[in-house]
This record gives sequence, C-alpha cells and structure tokens, in this order.
Amino acid sequence: DAGVIQSPRHEVTEMGQEVTLRCKPISGHDYLFWYRQTMMRGLELLIYFNNNVPIDDSGMPEDRFSAKMPNASFSTLKIQPSEPRDSAVYFCASSSPPPGGTDTQYFGPGTRLTVL
Amino acid sequence: TQLLEQSPQFLSIQEGENLTVYCNSSSVFSSLQWYRQEPGEGPVLLVTVVTGGEVKKLKRLTFQFGDARKDSSLHITAAQPGDTGLYLCAGFDNYGQNFVFGPGTRLSVLP
Repeated sequence: DAGVIQSPRHEVTEMGQEVTLRCKPISGHDYLFWYRQTMMRGLELLIYFNNNVPIDDSGMPEDRFSAKMPNASFSTLKIQPSEPRDSAVYFCASSSPPPGGTDTQYFGPGTRLTVL
Repeated sequence: TQLLEQSPQFLSIQEGENLTVYCNSSSVFSSLQWYRQEPGEGPVLLVTVVTGGEVKKLKRLTFQFGDARKDSSLHITAAQPGDTGLYLCAGFDNYGQNFVFGPGTRLSVLP
C-alpha cells in the first residue's frame, strides 16, 4: 500500500483565498483524522471521520474551516477565506482499530500551508 | 493547559550518550503511544503501552508506562544521529473520549 496520500505537499496562497487540502487514506481504514501542527500549538486534532461520517469536529478552529469525506477513499479540508494565522502543516491520518486493541494512526506526509 | 506534558522540550546530545524523555499528565490514560516525527514527514508510531508498570523494548529504545498510568518515559541507549527527531506521546484519556498529543521533545543527536 502507498500509505496515506496528501496533496498538495506545499501550498502558498494569499490572504482571503480559498484553500483545499486533499487526502487519500489507506485502503480499508475506516477512520480518518485531520490534524494541524504549528511550533506554538503542536499537533492539534481538527476533526475525525468514522465510515465517512464526521464524529468530532470540536477541534475545527472556526467556521472558515470545513471538512468532507464523500467516500471511503477521499477527504478534503477547506479553508475559506484563508488567513495568515492558518499557516501550518496539515496532516491527514487513517486507522483501522483492531477489535479490542489499541489504534495505530498512519500519517500522511503533510501539506505545508503558507498564507501571505 | 496541555493534557499531556513532555520534558525536556529540546535535547541535544552527542552520539553514544544515553537519554530519557518524559511524558506526564494529571489524568489517567487507558493507553499511551510514542511517535517519532522526522523533518518533513508525519509522525510514525513506535510503541503502545497499555498496562500500568509495563516496560517495552524496541532495540535501543525502552518505554515505560507508570504504575498509575499517568506518565511514561522513553529511554534511548547509545543514541545515534538517526534517532534525531521529534518524539511525541499521545493517548486516550481514561474515558476514551479524547485522543491528544503532547507538545513533543525535539532530540538532536550530533555525530
């Protein structure tokens, strides 16, 4: 398996523009997570899905952020309008918890977003 | 306030030295995980500890889960430059409701 795939790897945009980040989870994984990582705040969980359904979006910073998972193999995180403080590395991760076991999340390589 | 605290925040050592990094919480965790993140990459799981007092070894890395399941440590013996990276602890609180990451320890092993 190719692992979790994210695109683009780098995105530079201007304040006010819409940004869409994409993720393809590992085939067969039924959980998908979106994280944001900054030096100041570390790794923060934004939202996660189970079987394509959003379960917990309490980490989404504000209404400018939205996430969708139209099918088991694709998810998007959209920021509209973007602001400089959104600059961060955004990670997607997927997992398939074993019955009675402890989850292992597999992370993608991340998208480095810079909002000017 | 971080649910998981990690110390030290930064650590720079010479190749061959031993080191220990810590992960602490005031809350009980049902399990704790350690991840390593290299520059430009996502975190990669190293180990999961689930039982209080548990010790797991992974080559030169030794992981321990505190008896009260509120803390964990990672000990590296004879560190190598390839051990350089950000070490993150993470886990579910005892209610299984919240999965959180600590802020990480950034380790640099100099040749």
